[in-house]
Amino acid sequence: DGGITQSPKYLFRKEGQNVTLSCEQNLNHDAMYWYRQDPGQGLRLIYYSQIVNDFQKGDIAEGYSVSREKKESFPLTVTSAQKNPTAFYLCASSIKSNTEAFFGQGTRLTVV
Amino acid sequence: EDQVTQSPEALRLQEGESSSLNCSYTVSGLRGLFWYRQDPGKGPEFLFTLYSAGEEKEKERLKATLTKKESFLHITAPKPEDSATYLCAVQGSSGGYNKLIFGAGTRLAVHP
Repeated sequence: DGGITQSPKYLFRKEGQNVTLSCEQNLNHDAMYWYRQDPGQGLRLIYYSQIVNDFQKGDIAEGYSVSREKKESFPLTVTSAQKNPTAFYLCASSIKSNTEAFFGQGTRLTVV
Repeated sequence: EDQVTQSPEALRLQEGESSSLNCSYTVSGLRGLFWYRQDPGKGPEFLFTLYSAGEEKEKERLKATLTKKESFLHITAPKPEDSATYLCAVQGSSGGYNKLIFGAGTRLAVHP
């Protein structure tokens, strides 16, 4: 089945640690995105990538980093510089950057 | 500045009681308006894309409409399984790239 797979579903991080969230898609989509969702707020864009080996900062990129070495994969690293990392992280992809996006099931990150 | 406001924040309906959810938006150069459904702890599920004022889309008990300033998601004779958070997003052409601006969502609860 085609789709977007995020792993892990739950992730716990100690303060000062970097963690990497995985996102893989087999939809052959060019564009991929990372969003952050906090209670009572809309989804906010962290990073996006329109093609392999290219990515751009979104609205809240500070404390995050990404890579796009393969079309299928767009991992997100939450660094120790991110002051409030506890949130629900959503990865999405679309055929092109101006078409509807399809989402994975999310990773809930908690700092302990 | 591009902005999306959804109302109401929460809506409680009896099974069979039809209603509408509102999505008001301001955006430079609307490329598309998207509706998603999100269940607790899950990623958003794509429902509809609307591109121009006057356009309508239907799927089962849901019907989405679009004007130049807002979109409505009409729910006809809802069932308990329609309970979810409904998200609206717009895609504009400002900033040199296309990105989704999300509203905070409407939490819908349908009771038997």
